Amino acid sequence: GQSLEQPSEVTAVEGAIVQINCTYQTSGFYGLSWYQQHDGGAPTFLSYNALDGLEETGRFSSFLSRSDSYGYLLLQELQMKDSASYFCALNSGGYQKVTFGIGTKLQVIP
Amino acid sequence: DGGITQSPKYLFRKEGQNVTLSCEQNLNHDAMYWYRQDPGQGLRLIYYSQIVNDFQKGDIAEGYSVSREKKESFPLTVTSAQKNPTAFYLCASLNRGLWTFGSGTRLTVV
Repeated sequence: GQSLEQPSEVTAVEGAIVQINCTYQTSGFYGLSWYQQHDGGAPTFLSYNALDGLEETGRFSSFLSRSDSYGYLLLQELQMKDSASYFCALNSGGYQKVTFGIGTKLQVIP
Repeated sequence: DGGITQSPKYLFRKEGQNVTLSCEQNLNHDAMYWYRQDPGQGLRLIYYSQIVNDFQKGDIAEGYSVSREKKESFPLTVTSAQKNPTAFYLCASLNRGLWTFGSGTRLTVV
């Protein structure tokens, strides 16, 4: 089967940088994606890695190491509006083989 | 703008009643999904459909039913057989490995 682990909560200061880790176990790998979800809202796509390395999209970057079964989401220049839950999603192949992490609740403090 | 529309946003159900959650998309995506989200847990797959008139059970299909008569529509019925239906329900589509989510329906059993 597939499994994902990510921290349940992270607190960071406005203007700082925060890294949210995601480790996974899977027998097949197609890609790892990241989503942001504000309370009561829809998850929105942030970033996707199919290959090793860093993907940068504005203030958000995502990194993947397939040999370590590990990825992270990096948020720079944190803003108060970045307070939300962030979850990683593992695509291990096929329409039904997608596993979502439990989500990391990020609290940005002044 | 293309997207997924879920309605209603909030739904209250009496025990023993069936309720249907609406999900409509104008993205022309083939694959549609229903997920359930509970606090402290990742998204759990209820049902998914890859094409019209075809759908498959996910990990927690018991007590739920779906239909896919049109590409644009994928309604979910929560039946009285679902023992713990209070949750946040998300409809999503998948295209080229990336997810688009609806804004969710929060169902509460009273």
